[in-house]
Amino acid sequence: AQKITQTQPGMFVQEKEAVTLDCTYDTSDPSYGLFWYKQPSSGEMIFLIYQGSYDQQNATEGRYSLNFQKARKSANLVISASQLGDSAMYFCAMREGYNQGAQKLVFGQGTRLTINP
Amino acid sequence: GAVVSQHPSRVICKSGTSVKIECRSLDFQATTMFWYRQFPKKSLMLMATSNEGSKATYEQGVEKDKFLINHASLTLSTLTVTSAHPEDSSFYICSAVTSGRAFSEQFFGPGTRLTVL
Repeated sequence: AQKITQTQPGMFVQEKEAVTLDCTYDTSDPSYGLFWYKQPSSGEMIFLIYQGSYDQQNATEGRYSLNFQKARKSANLVISASQLGDSAMYFCAMREGYNQGAQKLVFGQGTRLTINP
Repeated sequence: GAVVSQHPSRVICKSGTSVKIECRSLDFQATTMFWYRQFPKKSLMLMATSNEGSKATYEQGVEKDKFLINHASLTLSTLTVTSAHPEDSSFYICSAVTSGRAFSEQFFGPGTRLTVL
């Protein structure tokens, strides 16, 4: 079964608009972490934001915020005031467990975001 | 932030040859490194987990004899693609995790694009 699902293969947004990238996950482990990464055409993976399963508040990092709905098992990324430089591939990822050995990341299929001027 | 380098960034080789890819953590010690493979327009697939001083743990379906991983020091892991064939052409990305921190961020290298002719 797919552990991380990103249902939007591609998104097109006008510059300065906000955009929400969807991510749902599946796990029976009560301890897990959710990540969002940005991958521009150069290929590097850029860490954007992290949400722990026990975190009470939604994570925020500058223009990025994570809409964490635990009961729905969703962890959508919200980018406010989008910029042309935000055009890239975006991956949602999950890590299960809460110990030193639980470091493996499982990635979703990705969403290609294109910001139009 | 922590920096992970990969060398080479691009390699083109003939079918049947072996290729070694290096992954280095430049300003921190990494007890665990991960190797991922990414096909064009696809997600990252974990190949193996590499722990310093011990044998790598391979994911199901990954050939151990094909993809040799060595993690000889706390700052260096190598992936050797043995007897490479065109189907091994892909983007290989490593990541590193610092020790002593659960739920710590994975720092990704810039990736290596392998083309086997």
